Amino acid sequence: SQTIHQWPATLVQPVGSPLSLECTVEGTSNPNLYWYRQAAGRGLQLLFYSVGIGQISSEVPQNLSASRPQDRQFILSSKKLLLSDSGFYLCAWSRGRPGPQETQYFGPGTRLLVL
Amino acid sequence: GEDVEQSLFLSVREGDSSVINCTYTDSSSTYLYWYKQEPGAGLQLLTYIFSNMDMKQDQRLTVLLNKKDKHLSLRIADTQTGDSAIYFCAEKETGGFKTIFGAGTRLFVKA
Repeated sequence: SQTIHQWPATLVQPVGSPLSLECTVEGTSNPNLYWYRQAAGRGLQLLFYSVGIGQISSEVPQNLSASRPQDRQFILSSKKLLLSDSGFYLCAWSRGRPGPQETQYFGPGTRLLVL
Repeated sequence: GEDVEQSLFLSVREGDSSVINCTYTDSSSTYLYWYKQEPGAGLQLLTYIFSNMDMKQDQRLTVLLNKKDKHLSLRIADTQTGDSAIYFCAEKETGGFKTIFGAGTRLFVKA
């Protein structure tokens, strides 16, 4: 069966510090990978998605970046965090071409607080 | 642009039915989803419906779709305290990678 991991679960960082959040998927190959941010009281905002190694699409221009160094690893990074980067970051994966079977499966999330 | 709207809160008594409503704007949306998020956890897919369907039932869950009004609802029969969570409505267009989520409806179930 497939599982998705995120770490850390919780992170408190000062403004201006760097960020690295990691997401890994087990039990499948060549998944589509997604990073979302959920701000308090708001829906999910798609940040990045990737359909393969080294292929990253950005949905929202900001001070965050994403990388996919391995097939089942997706990393969200920042060189300098802003207060507005605080939120709940969710990684998700899906299989195959977009379509009715392309259900997204979400990880447990990382809660980031920037002070 | 694309937008999905939901009411933020709903409170029901245990054993009653819950109805969570959602409206969307993208007429090209083909797939509409309901996700459940329990406290501190990721999202869990509950059910989805194709735009060529009007209704889908799965045990205690009933999804109704009104394409003309772009209105989607989720009915939970015999609501239990374990159903307390945030419910997200989402839409996706055919062939697209982008899923648009609503802000979520927080369901409170009173014993």
